[in-house]
Amino acid sequence: NAGVMQNPRHLVRRRGQEARLRCSPMKGHSHVYWYRQLPEEGLKFMVYLQKENIIDESGMPKERFSAEFPKEGPSILRIQQVVRGDSAAYFCASSLIQGANSGANVLTFGAGSRLTVL
Amino acid sequence: TQLLEQSPQFLSIQEGENLTVYCNSSSVFSSLQWYRQEPGEGPVLLVTVVTGGEVKKLKRLTFQFGDARKDSSLHITAAQPGDTGLYLCAGLPSSGNTGKLIFGQGTTLQVKP
Repeated sequence: NAGVMQNPRHLVRRRGQEARLRCSPMKGHSHVYWYRQLPEEGLKFMVYLQKENIIDESGMPKERFSAEFPKEGPSILRIQQVVRGDSAAYFCASSLIQGANSGANVLTFGAGSRLTVL
Repeated sequence: TQLLEQSPQFLSIQEGENLTVYCNSSSVFSSLQWYRQEPGEGPVLLVTVVTGGEVKKLKRLTFQFGDARKDSSLHITAAQPGDTGLYLCAGLPSSGNTGKLIFGQGTTLQVKP
């Protein structure tokens, strides 16, 4: 398997519960991006991580949301005390290199985790 | 804030027709990518354009990057029902960027047989 793996694919939570979304990047990729997508809309950047470092979290809400990419294991996007407005598809993407100094940054996306908050 | 405006948002056409999707911005991008997304799946990269004025072809799909690297277009010739999906443009800003892509809001294409 060479793809970006996300789980769970579907998650249902009640208001106030916590949601944890996991992402295993492609083998050899050390750059992970999380995006959020509402129905029939584009993807909104949330956070960019490298191993053990948050590089850019400018798209992440200041409260209730956190992300990590530990030295070992998958990247995790954590949403505490979920509200109905958090219902969305959350996509993880990984890349081999950082795009800042390259002409193109090719991201490979996972199939997404769809969060429904009741 | 750098934005990519994609148009049209929705397009419903008959099989065999041609169509063009536009992606515009007031900002310059180092590169621009086009993705296609099926329902329930993640976006899949179709093409990356890097040089201003660049044109790339992928079978019946033609992608163009504007000379000033602020806009791009996707043209599909003789559309087929299998082309149905959400098409997304995404740009890599040319300055102050950590490598994150900025996405347009997408074009939902429906091709009727």
